[in-house]
Amino acid sequence: NAGVTQTPKFRILKIGQSMTLQCTQDMNHNYMYWYRQDPGMGLKLIYYSVGAGITDKGEVPNGYNVSRSTTEDFPLRLELAAPSQTSVYFCASRGGQLGNIQYFGAGTRLSVL
Amino acid sequence: EDQVTQSPEALRLQEGESSSLNCSYTVSGLRGLFWYRQDPGKGPEFLFTLYSAGEEKEKERLKATLTKKESFLHITAPKPEDSATYLCAVITQGGSEKLVFGKGTKLTVNP
Repeated sequence: NAGVTQTPKFRILKIGQSMTLQCTQDMNHNYMYWYRQDPGMGLKLIYYSVGAGITDKGEVPNGYNVSRSTTEDFPLRLELAAPSQTSVYFCASRGGQLGNIQYFGAGTRLSVL
Repeated sequence: EDQVTQSPEALRLQEGESSSLNCSYTVSGLRGLFWYRQDPGKGPEFLFTLYSAGEEKEKERLKATLTKKESFLHITAPKPEDSATYLCAVITQGGSEKLVFGKGTKLTVNP
């Protein structure tokens, strides 16, 4: 059982470039989340989705976009990358029961230079 | 605003030296508190969920407890493989089921 899979693992972008971070889960979870983690800081929620076709902003959504066309996939789009977006990005998913555990992927380490 | 504060930021222990990590929270209504372990270069790995004051859960050398204002992660006779960053997070009342994370405690256990 693969769980939550993120690609790529590492990426270097130039300022102004765009890219999509991929996230897929095979647990048939309705809820999916994108976080960023900066050194010495807690995980900050960027966007989340409660099901296919439904997304909402988290704490730090500026500079990002998401879509959720299927239950399995929840890609995160960076438009016009900026150095402030240098971070480690984690995708997570959970089932629909109240208080269910969020399961995390291994992360994508992104540097914007 | 919902807040989660973890202390200490870093903790160094000798193998076998027991200690506790603290997670204090200020939330509008607690629906659940989670403890995760994170190893360098990896995603958070679930350890425990606590839902109500007085609840306790154990796993190997780890024991998590919950009061109305804070949670403790007790580590008994730690081993070097327990070295990791331990994250605390809460789910608050409201329909979105979002987690609010603390900054974590980095634990190092020396042999």
